[in-house]
Amino acid sequence: DQQVKQNSPSLSVQEGRISILNCDYTNSMFDYFLWYKKYPAEGPTFLISISSIKDKNEDGRFTVFLNKSAKHLSLHIVPSQPGDSAVYFCAARAFRGKNSGYALNFGKGTSLLVTP
Amino acid sequence: NAGVTQTPKFRVLKTGQSMTLLCAQDMNHEYMYWYRQDPGMGLRLIHYSVGEGTTAKGEVPDGYNVSRLKKQNFLLGLESAAPSQTSVYFCASSYQGLAKTYEQYFGPGTRLTVT
Repeated sequence: DQQVKQNSPSLSVQEGRISILNCDYTNSMFDYFLWYKKYPAEGPTFLISISSIKDKNEDGRFTVFLNKSAKHLSLHIVPSQPGDSAVYFCAARAFRGKNSGYALNFGKGTSLLVTP
Repeated sequence: NAGVTQTPKFRVLKTGQSMTLLCAQDMNHEYMYWYRQDPGMGLRLIHYSVGEGTTAKGEVPDGYNVSRLKKQNFLLGLESAAPSQTSVYFCASSYQGLAKTYEQYFGPGTRLTVT
């Protein structure tokens, strides 16, 4: 079952506007959330993260908000730029046991297109 | 630093053939992972390793085997390739100490086609 869900496969935003990408999760044991960005034919690259004990983390144009009661997080990009056009993956970390350590669960991704 | 490298970048196999994908990292990370990415499916974890000599199953382990004989290398093996294993494979590594972000660093991917 999909424990991390990104229900919007795609999003189109005009340059300069705000992009909001959403992510929902079902496992209350997730302790860390991360966003990755992926360009075609490249590996994903880390963008920003947030601990489950925080509700907001900001890094330049990127802000991640976490609402634990709703099991929901969102990534805000302000202002959006054409170079932000990529697929964005939401991921959540959980402890899988003494011999299995930690691993990430990824959502299916949202393809963001920023138009000039 | 090269980061995470993957060999080969592309490969075409016939059904039933075997192959090994090699992942190498030079960041002294304890954890290493193998994912596959398929259209509309996101990144799915195949196997991972929390340290040299250890391996653990992810969400889609069937048909794959892994080995971590050296800390810097993580091998993914397909013993008898099937068309359903046509995918892009990504390796990643991470540090699991008192890191601030626990981010995983990804390689550039291997595009595998099984005919």
